Amino acid sequence: DAGVIQSPRHEVTEMGQEVTLRCKPISGHNSLFWYRQTMMRGLELLIYFNNNVPIDDSGMPEDRFSAKMPNASFSTLKIQPSEPRDSAVYFCASSLAVTGGKNIQYFGAGTRLSVL
Amino acid sequence: QKEVEQNSGPLSVPEGAIASLNCTYSDRGSQSFFWYRQYSGKSPELIMSIYSNGDKEDGRFTAQLNKASQYVSLLIRDSQPSDSATYLCAVNFRGFGNEKLTFGTGTRLTIIP
Repeated sequence: DAGVIQSPRHEVTEMGQEVTLRCKPISGHNSLFWYRQTMMRGLELLIYFNNNVPIDDSGMPEDRFSAKMPNASFSTLKIQPSEPRDSAVYFCASSLAVTGGKNIQYFGAGTRLSVL
Repeated sequence: QKEVEQNSGPLSVPEGAIASLNCTYSDRGSQSFFWYRQYSGKSPELIMSIYSNGDKEDGRFTAQLNKASQYVSLLIRDSQPSDSATYLCAVNFRGFGNEKLTFGTGTRLTIIP
């Protein structure tokens, strides 16, 4: 299995531009998670989907952030307009949901975003 | 606010010694606990999961869980320079029907040759 695939690996953009991050989960997994990691705040969950449906988006910082999962093999995280404080590493993770919270999440390589 | 607390370190341990990493969590009803390792510039990778009180061993790694004390730890025996990384503790609060993991801020471990 190729694992969780994220693109691009690096993104440099100017303030005000739209940024789209992409994620392909592990085949057969039914849950997908978007995280943001910074030195100051650590690893934060932004949103997660189960069976392509958003379950919890309480971590999405503001309306500038949106996420979609049109099918089981693809998800996007969009920032519009981007701001310098959005600079971070964004990780996508996927898991096979089982009862009791014993799901193990597997992370992609991440997208390092720099907003100038 | 459900929280996971870790000592940020850095924790320095001589090669061959035992490294002990600790984590506390706020919700007594938590069911699932995970340790992830993250090398600098890389993504987190799972090294241990534990669901029941007691010890769980996997090679040089042992996870210990004490739900009454709301405490989970990771021991690394015979520490190697390749163990130098940040170790993230993650907790699933109230696991049934909820897959969210809350991560601690991580402990940076350095193994000194």
